Amino acid sequence: DTGVSQNPRHKITKRGQNVTFRCDPISEHNRLYWYRQTLGQGPEFLTYFQNEAQLEKSRLLSDRFSAERPKGSFSTLEIQRTEQGDSAMYLCASSRGINEQFFGPGTRLTVL
Amino acid sequence: GEDVEQSLFLSVREGDSSVINCTYTDSSSTYLYWYKQEPGAGLQLLTYIFSNMDMKQDQRLTVLLNKKDKHLSLRIADTQTGDSAIYFCAETSSGNTPLVFGKGTRLSVIA
Repeated sequence: DTGVSQNPRHKITKRGQNVTFRCDPISEHNRLYWYRQTLGQGPEFLTYFQNEAQLEKSRLLSDRFSAERPKGSFSTLEIQRTEQGDSAMYLCASSRGINEQFFGPGTRLTVL
Repeated sequence: GEDVEQSLFLSVREGDSSVINCTYTDSSSTYLYWYKQEPGAGLQLLTYIFSNMDMKQDQRLTVLLNKKDKHLSLRIADTQTGDSAIYFCAETSSGNTPLVFGKGTRLSVIA
């Protein structure tokens, strides 16, 4: 069990560019969650999946954000036309059934 | 909507006990968690408690739940410098839905 992994760990981009992040959950974890954390705040829920089905999206997830989990394993989170307000730490977590969520190390996005 | 509140800072001396408090508003909260975050890192699950429990102890950690007052606390016995971090309280109404987090309590341990 290698834990939840996220790539890249850091991303610096210019405003208006598209970025994509990847999350690999703990194997056999059927639920996968994306959260966003800004400085001085707790993580805020963005979206989550059960296997390949996207179950819920937060109102924080604007039209510029899209997430997929095509085969029920890894997931990607894409942000189109990035804005400075998108700068944050993007956290991924996974869980198996009704059990605790385990978090990855996060991807820190900086939009210049 | 759901809300989780925590005090922002706590400072303790090494060897003392730390008590971090949390209040929540959602009466349907069933699972309550404590996570630890060190600088630049992700969140590490420390412990959790179900709403049908009043207390849970795990080595140096003791969680107390007052469901009537919707108050949760985390006590760290014999606090060490390695315990310096931000501690987040989180809740969910079922064990497999998104968590609602507080803003975190920054614990500073003075040697």
